[in-house]
Amino acid sequence: AQSVTQLDSQVPVFEEAPVELRCNYSSSVSVYLFWYVQYPNQGLQLLLKYLSGSTLVKGINGFEAEFNKSQTSFHLRKPSVHISDTAEYFCAAITGTASKLTFGTGTRLQVTL
Amino acid sequence: ETGVTQSPTHLIKTRGQQVTLRCSSQSGHNTVSWYQQALGQGPQFIFQYYREEENGRGNFPPRFSGLQFPNYSSELNVNALELDDSALYLCASSLQGVLNTEAFFGQGTRLTVV
Repeated sequence: AQSVTQLDSQVPVFEEAPVELRCNYSSSVSVYLFWYVQYPNQGLQLLLKYLSGSTLVKGINGFEAEFNKSQTSFHLRKPSVHISDTAEYFCAAITGTASKLTFGTGTRLQVTL
Repeated sequence: ETGVTQSPTHLIKTRGQQVTLRCSSQSGHNTVSWYQQALGQGPQFIFQYYREEENGRGNFPPRFSGLQFPNYSSELNVNALELDDSALYLCASSLQGVLNTEAFFGQGTRLTVV
């Protein structure tokens, strides 16, 4: 069975600083990877996804992620965060032909002045 | 804002009662998935419906059941509610068999069982 691990439950960062949110997956088969953002009292919004091809994926709101097969990681990065980026971020995976998403436990990004 | 709508937005039920949650999928999407998100946790897959048939189920007991209608909208039913069923219930619509399409999530239904 696959699993998704988000190593940090909370990440505090100052505005305009860079940030990296870590995600590792375990799967012996082909995997498709996603990052979602959840603002308070909202559903999930897709930030970016890796299906195949280039390992560097660019998403919305200036976020990007790099798929690293040897390290089984898919870390999310942003070079300069804003207060409005404060939210919960979830890494998720789909394996094989299944279409259900397996989510990590989430990382709370808290951006302060 | 996605085209996925869920109702109601909030709900309070008593232990032992039954509840029905509803989801209207994005136009053109034929698949609806339901997830349970407990406080401080990531969403957990409950089940998925494709063309009115259950198409995969997570580790949830049979008292969690669902329906999908010809217009691809869906219901999640939970019988014999337990306190641990308190959570945010999310539905996501997608186009089956086309991985490049995004799964769009609704805003969720917050269920509180007392």
